[in-house]
Amino acid sequence: EAGVTQSPTHLIKTRGQQATLRCSPISGHTSVYWYQQALGLGLQFLLWYDEGEERNRGNFPPRFSGRQFPNYSSELNVNALELEDSALYLCASSLGGTGIYNEQFFGPGTRLTVL
Amino acid sequence: AQSVTQLDSHVSVSEGTPVLLRCNYSSSYSPSLFWYVQHPNKGLQLLLKYTSAATLVKGINGFEAEFKKSETSFHLTKPSAHMSDAAEYFCVVRPAYGQNFVFGPGTRLSVLP
Repeated sequence: EAGVTQSPTHLIKTRGQQATLRCSPISGHTSVYWYQQALGLGLQFLLWYDEGEERNRGNFPPRFSGRQFPNYSSELNVNALELEDSALYLCASSLGGTGIYNEQFFGPGTRLTVL
Repeated sequence: AQSVTQLDSHVSVSEGTPVLLRCNYSSSYSPSLFWYVQHPNKGLQLLLKYTSAATLVKGINGFEAEFKKSETSFHLTKPSAHMSDAAEYFCVVRPAYGQNFVFGPGTRLSVLP
């Protein structure tokens, strides 16, 4: 069974540009989560989508946005890039429904570098 | 607000000696609890999860964790450390369905030869 996939692996942008990161969840998973992991910091929660709806959002400015498609894949968009947006962006998926014990499965991440 | 405390930001052990990584959480409910491992520049891998079936949970690579409700703890242990265990470890709590997963700040484990 294929795991969570993310593309691209690496992304280099300049300040002020826009970045688009993509995530495909494990087949059958309806929830997708996005996290930012900057160097030396833990995981910071960005967004949670389930069944196409945004369920929760972390403490990030509005230039961080995303969406979930009907096939449950997801896209994270970062507008007006700033140097401090440089980080590893991790996507995770899980089963939806009412299962509190449904764990997250993580992708390998997209390394975003802003110059 | 729910929170997760990992009491040590860095733990260093010698190869072959026991590992103890500590995790305490605050939760108003009976949460689900997880431990993840992250090797450098990689995604996170699930080590084990607490599902209320048993308080002692066995995971992959010889790791286990014990859920102690009275102490609100979920410490991770391994009897004998291996060089390949060197990584970052995250304790994660999900207070209830519909709520976010809450990540601890992580503990970096170093294994000395």
